[in-house]
Amino acid sequence: EADIYQTPRYLVIGTGKKITLECSQTMGHDKMYWYQQDPGMELHLIHYSYGVNSTEKGDLSSESTVSRIRTEHFPLTLESARPSHTSQYLCACTGTGVTDTQYFGPGTRLTVL
Amino acid sequence: AQKITQTQPGMFVQEKEAVTLDCTYDTSDPSYGLFWYKQPSSGEMIFLIYQGSYDQQNATEGRYSLNFQKARKSANLVISASQLGDSAMYFCAMREPNSGYSTLTFGKGTMLLVSP
Repeated sequence: EADIYQTPRYLVIGTGKKITLECSQTMGHDKMYWYQQDPGMELHLIHYSYGVNSTEKGDLSSESTVSRIRTEHFPLTLESARPSHTSQYLCACTGTGVTDTQYFGPGTRLTVL
Repeated sequence: AQKITQTQPGMFVQEKEAVTLDCTYDTSDPSYGLFWYKQPSSGEMIFLIYQGSYDQQNATEGRYSLNFQKARKSANLVISASQLGDSAMYFCAMREPNSGYSTLTFGKGTMLLVSP
C-alpha cells in the first residue's frame, strides 16, 4: 500500500479566495491522480500525472490546476473558488506491480460559501 | 455508453448474511483490470479486490470475492458474513490498457446497509 496524505481534510472558504489542496505520498510512485466527487456520486478524474513536470487533464473539465515539481507532491489549486467548486477532492497514486492498484488519500471536503 | 454500470443504488442485508453487489462493464480490449473499492461515510476510498481479465480464477480477499463472468462482462462483488462495519458505498472500477497512465473509470456506486 501507499502512504498518501491530503491536507486539509475539511475547508470552508469564501467565494473568490485562492486555495491549494495538498497531496503527498511517501512511496516514490510516479503516477498520481486527482478526482472530484459530489456526495453519494461517482468519482470523476480531473487531473493526473505520470511523473515530475508531467500533468494532464482528466475526463471531467475542471477550473483547477495542478503541478508536479517533486515526485512525492501533487498539489491542486483553485485561483478563485466558487460555490460550484464545493465537493470532495480525492488524491490517489498507483502502486507498483501488475495490478497497478490506485491507493487513495483521505480526501479534502471543500465548501465554498 | 457507460463503461461501468452498477444497477443497484442501494442494498440492504442483515448481519452475517452474504450479499452480492452487481457490476457490468463495457470494453473492446482483451486486456483490462477490474477493481472494487469501499467508501465509508468518512470519505476515504479503500481498495478491496482486483481481477485481471486474463486471470483464470475468481479473486478472493478474506470475506470478499469477485464473481467474474467474462463472457457476460460482469464482475460482481460478493461479501460473505456481512458485518455492521461493511455499511458503506461500494464502487466498481475498470482500467483499460489504452489508459497509459493507469486511469480508472468508476461506476456510480451501490450503498450497502447492514442491519443487526
